[in-house]
This record gives sequence, C-alpha cells and structure tokens, in this order.
Amino acid sequence: GENVEQHPSTLSVQEGDSAVIKCTYSDSASNYFPWYKQELGKGPQLIIDIRSNVGEKKDQRIAVTLNKTAKHFSLHITETQPEDSAVYFCAASLSGGYQKVTFGIGTKLQVIP
Amino acid sequence: DAGVIQSPRHEVTEMGQEVTLRCKPISGHNSLFWYRQTMMRGLELLIYFNNNVPIDDSGMPEDRFSAKMPNASFSTLKIQPSEPRDSAVYFCASSLTGVSADTQYFGPGTRLTVL
Repeated sequence: GENVEQHPSTLSVQEGDSAVIKCTYSDSASNYFPWYKQELGKGPQLIIDIRSNVGEKKDQRIAVTLNKTAKHFSLHITETQPEDSAVYFCAASLSGGYQKVTFGIGTKLQVIP
Repeated sequence: DAGVIQSPRHEVTEMGQEVTLRCKPISGHNSLFWYRQTMMRGLELLIYFNNNVPIDDSGMPEDRFSAKMPNASFSTLKIQPSEPRDSAVYFCASSLTGVSADTQYFGPGTRLTVL
C-alpha cells in the first residue's frame, strides 16, 4: 500500500517568513495530492491540492509543487501570519473509484508574531 | 451547505460501555469515511462506504468496532465494549467519488474519552 512520509514534524517561523513542508510517497500510481490544515479542536480542512498532470499550483500565499519522478511534493507558505499556525497534513491517493487517502503524520506549524 | 455533521462532539464513558458516534455527510456525496486520530498513530482510516455499502473495513481495529450506513444521509460507528485505548478523536468525512472532485470533507470530530 501507499506510504506517505512528512517532515518536519514541527516548524517554527517568524511572522512574515516562509514555511516549507515536504512529503514523499511510495506508490507511483498515486495521482492526487491534497493538503489539509487542522486547527485546534477542528477537523482537517482542504487548503490546496495538486494532481499529477501539473507540477505546481498556487493560491495566494500557498503553493504546492510536485515531482513525480522523485515522488515528492511540498507545501510552501509565504508571508506567514499567526493564523497560519496549525497542523498541516499531506496526503496521497489515486483519484476516482475507491480513493483511499493515505495521510502523512502531520507538521505542527507555529508562526511567532 | 452545513458541511459534515458529527455528534456528539464530546463523549466521556466508562470502560465496558457502548459508544455510538453519528455522522451526517454532505448532501449528494456518495462516499463516507470514518477516521481515528491519535497523537501516536495520526489519522487512521477505519472504514469506507460507497453508495451506503462498506467497501474497505480493513482499518477497523477489532470486532468491538462496527459501522453502519443505513441510508445516504446517516452513518454510525459503534464501539462495544469500549476500552481506554479507544480514547481518540473520531472523524467522519465525505466525498463525491467518481468525478474529478474527489476531495474529502471532514466533520468537526468526536472526542472520545474512555475512563
């Protein structure tokens, strides 16, 4: 089955700096890579996703990159703000049909004002 | 849209008691997932339903756990008897499978504490 590794497990940055979270996956058939943000006491919420037919996707201050050859993908947050503090999960799955999603262990991001 | 609804939000029970967690998926979604989240193991998929039919229950820990989906708008996860090691946050998620928009949408979770 799919295995997703995520690092770092914790990340502290100063407000305004950038944050990068990296993930690797094992199943070359995976073609859908969502990123979730989980705030304290809430369920994970999708913030951005990328499919295997593109190498990069951007949405305001967040961007994801995907390297299918190396089987790794990354989340980039620029100009971090205190409200970005949360736990971020990467995931990998095969889009369509039974799309079992395998999650990384999570990265706790702390943005220091 | 109200999103995925879970109840109760918090449950405290004693070892040996039966616990029932409830989930209402987003209207129109045809897939439903139950996850368990702990510090040690992260997010674990317990069971997946598609069109109300259980497709993959390989993540269900043991026979004490059971899940049902009697109709498209309701699912339950039952633990009987409960044990302290079942203490965790349980999430329900739903999605629309079979089209490009297969993102899973999570509910707020139920925090279960078994004493």
